[in-house]
Amino acid sequence: EIVLTQSPATLSLSPGERATLSCRASQSVNNYLAWYQQKPGQAPRLLVYDVSNRATGIPARFSGSGSGTDFTLTISSLEPEDFAVYYCQQRRSWSTFGQGTKLEIK
Amino acid sequence: EVQLVQSGAEVKKPGESLKISCETSGYRFTTYWIGWVRQMPGKGLEWMGFIYPGDSDARYSPSFQGQVIMSVDKSRSTAFLQWSSLKASDTAVYYCARSRGEVVGLFDYWGQGTLVTVSS
Repeated sequence: EIVLTQSPATLSLSPGERATLSCRASQSVNNYLAWYQQKPGQAPRLLVYDVSNRATGIPARFSGSGSGTDFTLTISSLEPEDFAVYYCQQRRSWSTFGQGTKLEIK
Repeated sequence: EVQLVQSGAEVKKPGESLKISCETSGYRFTTYWIGWVRQMPGKGLEWMGFIYPGDSDARYSPSFQGQVIMSVDKSRSTAFLQWSSLKASDTAVYYCARSRGEVVGLFDYWGQGTLVTVSS
């Protein structure tokens, strides 16, 4: 099983700041790496797939990068609605999710 | 418009059986895998398995193999997740999601979730 480890567990930032979230895989995921956003009481929403492709309707302030086993989700300038939990997910070998990073308002 | 609408919240006792549903619309049901994801209270997302409605090919996460059964009803464009004997540890929100793309597992549309509470 491919294990995904996200860091940090919690990130405290202010609106307008830049957020950098990390995801490390226990083995190569062949770039089949996606990011999801989840707000309280809501289903997850697909943000980025295959490392760097934004899903339909996702603002340009969200970007993904990385390769092999190390990946990053960057939010260039935080909006109030961006404070949520973010999960990375691999689908190279069926599927697993990271444990999540909570992005909270400082 | 693609939609996945899940059945309502359930409260069950340990040992009881349960079948929850995920009714889809707005796309060709038989040509996209459906995945199920568990979220225990206050915890993260766990992939449970996938099912391909075209032929009911089902793949289970090792953690859930033998614990649940996935199925579909093509005539109703609906997927199901069922338990034969619930445990308190099955208390969670369960999501269905459509998987797009050639490599299964990219969840582009999600149901709203079904809260299952198992308590004596």
